[in-house]
Amino acid sequence: AQSVTQLGSHVSVSEGALVLLRCNYSSSVPPYLFWYVQYPNQGLQLLLKYTTGATLVKGINGFEAEFKKSETSFHLTKPSAHMSDAAEYFCAVSDQGAQKLVFGQGTRLTINP
Amino acid sequence: SAVISQKPSRDICQRGTSLTIQCQVDSQVTMMFWYRQQPGQSLTLIATANQGSEATYESGFVIDKFPISRPNLTFSTLTVSNMSPEDSSIYLCSVFRGPETQYFGPGTRLLVL
Repeated sequence: AQSVTQLGSHVSVSEGALVLLRCNYSSSVPPYLFWYVQYPNQGLQLLLKYTTGATLVKGINGFEAEFKKSETSFHLTKPSAHMSDAAEYFCAVSDQGAQKLVFGQGTRLTINP
Repeated sequence: SAVISQKPSRDICQRGTSLTIQCQVDSQVTMMFWYRQQPGQSLTLIATANQGSEATYESGFVIDKFPISRPNLTFSTLTVSNMSPEDSSIYLCSVFRGPETQYFGPGTRLLVL
């Protein structure tokens, strides 16, 4: 069975600082990995995904993530935080059919002025 | 991407009643998914709905409690039956749209008193 662990239910950074949200996964097959963002009172928006190929993937709003198979990790980063980045972030894994997502518990990101 | 709408966007219901949530997609899709997000929790898959066949439910979810309809390739409904306060959640529908990605609706925020 697949599972996802997001380290840190709450992360707080200053505006302009590096954002690092951690995600580790467990999968018996090569995984597809996703980061979604949920702004207050909204649905989920896809930030980025890894399926195959280049292990460093770039997404929207300046976010990127690197798939590290040896570490079973898919951490999300952004060099400089903006106030508009405040939201809930979810890491998800699926098998290669990508039709059944397993989500992590989510990380709430707060940006301090 | 996919444009997905849900109705209602939110509702407050009395215990013992039922609520039907609608999900409309901008183009035809084979599979639609229903997720639940309990307060402060991550997303959990309720069921997968294919047009022309019965929905497939995940462990812990049953058809009597969450009946699903899928009358055509752009529409689905999820009914939350005989509601209790524990059913207070955000209910989201999603669709699988290539390549390898699920897109989510804005969610229906349900409060059961």
